[in-house]
Amino acid sequence: DVKVTQSSRYLVKRTGEKVFLECVQDMDHENMFWYRQDPGLGLRLIYFSYDVKMKEKGDIPEGYSVSREKKERFSLILESASTNQTSMYLCASRPRTGPYNEQFFGPGTRLTVL
Amino acid sequence: ILNVEQSPQSLHVQEGDSTNFTCSFPSSNFYALHWYRWETAKSPEALFVMTLNGDEKKKGRISATLNTKEGYSYLYIKGSQPEDSATYLCAPSHTNAGKSTFGDGTTLTVKP
Repeated sequence: DVKVTQSSRYLVKRTGEKVFLECVQDMDHENMFWYRQDPGLGLRLIYFSYDVKMKEKGDIPEGYSVSREKKERFSLILESASTNQTSMYLCASRPRTGPYNEQFFGPGTRLTVL
Repeated sequence: ILNVEQSPQSLHVQEGDSTNFTCSFPSSNFYALHWYRWETAKSPEALFVMTLNGDEKKKGRISATLNTKEGYSYLYIKGSQPEDSATYLCAPSHTNAGKSTFGDGTTLTVKP
């Protein structure tokens, strides 16, 4: 089974802190994604990565950056956390680039910024 | 950002009822559509991938149809059970790279 893990299920941080969310997949997938989900809204794409050291902005990249130094790990960085970044963050991976492959999701990290 | 609409936003049915919901998306430059099921406290899981106009997919009591010309997909659940309670997300792709835009989801609650 494909396994996508995220470093924390729940996280509480203070405004202005630098926050790292880590995602690891164990199936040698090329593509990885970071989404946020807010009440009443679907999954909104923050950043995605086609392969190691490759990244592309999604629909809402402002306030975030990412790092993919190794194929299995994709990190989301909040440079200076703000209260409007309180949300559920989901990581996903996909075997390869293309519209026909499903994404495999991690359990999510619920981040609260105080 | 693509306009992907799902309706209704939420649905409450009794056990045994059949139900359906809709995903609407732009019909131009369509490549594929994925349906995902997201149960509370779990990760979203893929149900179907649909690519061709007229596609019909089925998994147990759940089935889906696709109309790419008019830009919609229906998800049907026959004889709903409490374990079907979840949020159902659709995600069409309009690029060859497969960047998907998710709808806001339909949250189904099945009462025993």
